[in-house]
Amino acid sequence: TQLLEQSPQFLSIQEGENLTVYCNSSSVFSSLQWYRQEPGEGPVLLVTVVTGGEVKKLKRLTFQFGDARKDSSLHITAAQPGDTGLYLCAGIMDSNYQLIWGAGTKLIIKP
Amino acid sequence: DSGVTQTPKHLITATGQRVTLRCSPRSGDLSVYWYQQSLDQGLQFLIQYYNGEERAKGNILERFSAQQFPDLHSELNLSSLELGDSALYFCASSVATSGTHNEQFFGPGTRLTVL
Repeated sequence: TQLLEQSPQFLSIQEGENLTVYCNSSSVFSSLQWYRQEPGEGPVLLVTVVTGGEVKKLKRLTFQFGDARKDSSLHITAAQPGDTGLYLCAGIMDSNYQLIWGAGTKLIIKP
Repeated sequence: DSGVTQTPKHLITATGQRVTLRCSPRSGDLSVYWYQQSLDQGLQFLIQYYNGEERAKGNILERFSAQQFPDLHSELNLSSLELGDSALYFCASSVATSGTHNEQFFGPGTRLTVL
C-alpha cells in the first residue's frame, strides 16, 4: 500500500473546466511537494507547502496543505491544454525526514 | 533546465547485457537520487547517495548498483538486463540529504530499451 495516496489516478477534462487532485495519507508530513512531469521529461517542482493549513497560489493553480499535515490538494482553475501532465505529490515524513512519493495523477486537458 | 545532466539520453541494448547511466548533479548539490519509471507509472525510488556515501535504499534490484564519485557525479550500473528493465531512469539532486524541504531537481532522464 502507498503511504501517499493520490486521487484520481487519471483525469481527462475539457479546456476551461476546474479540477482538484488529492494527496492523502494517515502519516504526518513536515512538508509536501507537488511536481509536474510532461511526457519524456523529468518532474519539475511546482511548490512546497510546509505549514498546516497553508495555501499557495501559482497562477491558476492553488495548493493547500491540510491542517493536520496529512493531506494536500491541488486545484486548477480554467484548465488549459498546457496543464496536461503527470502530477506527483511527495511528502517528507515527520518521523524520519524520508521523502515519500505518491503514484501520480495523469491529467489530460482536451482543447 | 534543472542543472542536472544525464547521459546517455537513449540506450538500446539486449537482454543479458550491462549498461552504465551517468548523472551530474546541480552545482552545489551533495545528494543524488536514482529513480525508475516504467511506462505510465509513478516514480520508483532506487537509491540515494550523499557526498559519496550511500544514504538510503529503495526498491533496487541486486543486479543494479550505483556509486557517487568525489566530484559528486553518480553512475547507475544495470547488469544481466531483462526485458522488464526497460524504463526511464531519472537522476535527481538536492542540496541536503534530509530536512524539511529537501526539494529535488530532476535530470531529463535516460530511456533504456532492452530487446
